[in-house]
Amino acid sequence: GAVVSQHPSRVICKSGTSVKIECRSLDFQATTMFWYRQFPKQSLMLMATSNEGSKATYEQGVEKDKFLINHASLTLSTLTVTSAHPEDSSFYICSAHVPSGGGETQYFGPGTRLLVL
Amino acid sequence: AQKVTQAQTEISVVEKEDVTLDCVYETRDTTYYLFWYKQPPSGELVFLIRRNSFDEQNEISGRYSWNFQKSTSSFNFTITASQVVDSAVYFCALSEKAAGNKLTFGGGTRVLVKP
Repeated sequence: GAVVSQHPSRVICKSGTSVKIECRSLDFQATTMFWYRQFPKQSLMLMATSNEGSKATYEQGVEKDKFLINHASLTLSTLTVTSAHPEDSSFYICSAHVPSGGGETQYFGPGTRLLVL
Repeated sequence: AQKVTQAQTEISVVEKEDVTLDCVYETRDTTYYLFWYKQPPSGELVFLIRRNSFDEQNEISGRYSWNFQKSTSSFNFTITASQVVDSAVYFCALSEKAAGNKLTFGGGTRVLVKP
């Protein structure tokens, strides 16, 4: 299957700082990537759809000024959590959309655990 | 609106037992895709299977099998002869072509296989 990487895998930061998370498709080009957030023992919730060369589409209730998404190339999307607060502590996972004959599949990165102190 | 329900939050079995995970979905689209993902303790989501709405054939892959029933809007997953390494959270997910292939996940079922 397609390989998606995320960096960093784990980050601890102080409240008020900004954190950037990178999502890369390693062996394919991804025009569309997705960002999800997962709180402990809960399911994944879609935050936004990241489209190469255009603005991201945010899901209802997700603050676009707080979660900045940039998809500058066909292999890289970044999520920046601005002015992070303890309630932003979560597991952030990206995925890349891989079109294939007869359907589309999303392949996920390994995730980034964010802890805001 | 699309919706996925996994009624079982946690299942505990003893090694070598079979375990079936239920998944029921709701969609108004005629073209949609169903998925199962495995999330081990490390957190990474592992793709297991994709099924499109026009293909109701059941599938078997090793110890894994899937039963897709459009009549009951279900896409159940069975692990045969479970092993300790199968311990993980399993998510069923749905995407609709009309919704830009965004994934909607079920709540997940935690499977604990005891030796």
